[in-house]
Amino acid sequence: AQTVTQSQPEMSVQEAETVTLSCTYDTSESDYYLFWYKQPPSRQMILVIRQEAYKQQNATENRFSVNFQKAAKSFSLKISDSQLGDAAMYFCAYRRTVTDDKIIFGKGTRLHILP
Amino acid sequence: DVKVTQSSRYLVKRTGEKVFLECVQDMDHENMFWYRQDPGLGLRLIYFSYDVKMKEKGDIPEGYSVSREKKERFSLILESASTNQTSMYLCASTMFPGPPSHPHFGNGTRLTVT
Repeated sequence: AQTVTQSQPEMSVQEAETVTLSCTYDTSESDYYLFWYKQPPSRQMILVIRQEAYKQQNATENRFSVNFQKAAKSFSLKISDSQLGDAAMYFCAYRRTVTDDKIIFGKGTRLHILP
Repeated sequence: DVKVTQSSRYLVKRTGEKVFLECVQDMDHENMFWYRQDPGLGLRLIYFSYDVKMKEKGDIPEGYSVSREKKERFSLILESASTNQTSMYLCASTMFPGPPSHPHFGNGTRLTVT
């Protein structure tokens, strides 16, 4: 069965600095999708970034980028120039691209931004 | 814009009550999901549905059932609510098959069972 592991329950970063959130996953599939979601205090789950496993190039969305290492089954999120609004829970998620479309989430990392 | 709506933001129920959590999506998505979110445990899948009247158990289905009579609506049912079902419940939907999309979430229902 697929699993997603986020090993850092909490992290803190100084405003304007860079922080990296870790995520590893376990799967026997070769084709899948990976996501990072942000959940601010409003509770709304917001998609931050997505990565298709067949793409070697790391996805980037403005200040957010990923380091996707398929062989190592690692999918870390880098936030550059951290802002106070980045404070939230961050969840890593895995989705199969075939059959039942089950989506699996990690336990989350709470990110604090220090002014 | 894509929208997933959960009928209640906060809900307080008594032990033993039958509880319905409703979720509606307006995107014509085939797949719908119910997750439970607890501190330190992340999101855990309760049930998902890939078509009308079709459902599959997730990782923690015990004490829950679901209903999907129409494509846009997916209901989570607690047959006899217990205090250990106090939690945040999140509904999500995705389009499938077709180009894989990311899950779209509702705003969550915080359920308290007393």
